[in-house]
Amino acid sequence: GENVGLHLPTLSVQEGDNSIINCAYSNSASDYFIWYKQESGKGPQFIIDIRSNMDKRQGQRVTVLLNKTVKHLSLQIAATQPGDSAVYFCAENGSSNTGKLIFGQGTTLQVKP
Amino acid sequence: KAGVTQTPRYLIKTRGQQVTLSCSPISGHRSVSWYQQTPGQGLQFLFEYFSETQRNKGNFPGRFSGRQFSNSRSEMNVSTLELGDSALYLCASSFRGRRDTEAFFGQGTRLTVV
Repeated sequence: GENVGLHLPTLSVQEGDNSIINCAYSNSASDYFIWYKQESGKGPQFIIDIRSNMDKRQGQRVTVLLNKTVKHLSLQIAATQPGDSAVYFCAENGSSNTGKLIFGQGTTLQVKP
Repeated sequence: KAGVTQTPRYLIKTRGQQVTLSCSPISGHRSVSWYQQTPGQGLQFLFEYFSETQRNKGNFPGRFSGRQFSNSRSEMNVSTLELGDSALYLCASSFRGRRDTEAFFGQGTRLTVV
């Protein structure tokens, strides 16, 4: 079946610390994963994506790790800032080659000053 | 370059009524997908349109329908509204709507059914 889930509904970190948000997926056919950030009152904003032929991809202050063996991906945010406070969703594009995205439930990141 | 535009931003409707929401994708994007977001169910896929054709559909009742025009703008319609239809409706556009292309979301339309 298709299921993308996040391990923790809420993560609270101190400003300046690194944050790690986790996500598990169940569809072994999934080969494209995306992390989105959603701030209050806004639509999801693309952060970073990764294809299954990679196990790590880095962006500005963010890194996504993919472990296909255990069907797990994570989003690491370096030097977390107050502006990083938001809900983070992982998503996969499933086994169909269309624009459909399957989202996890989301993790709320709270950054303490 | 302009982002994805959804109108209206907020809507209040009465049970039994119908509603039409609009989405203008990023210029050049041919795929438009619609999602329903609620606190309990999260983001749920409704349907996707590509070049005016519905290419994929989620598990929603037939009261939910959509269409796409030749300029790629899309509308979704919900008939016979129920209280449970209250949600944030999001649309996302992408260039070709394939599994490995980035999707951009609009701000959403907040629908409240009373």
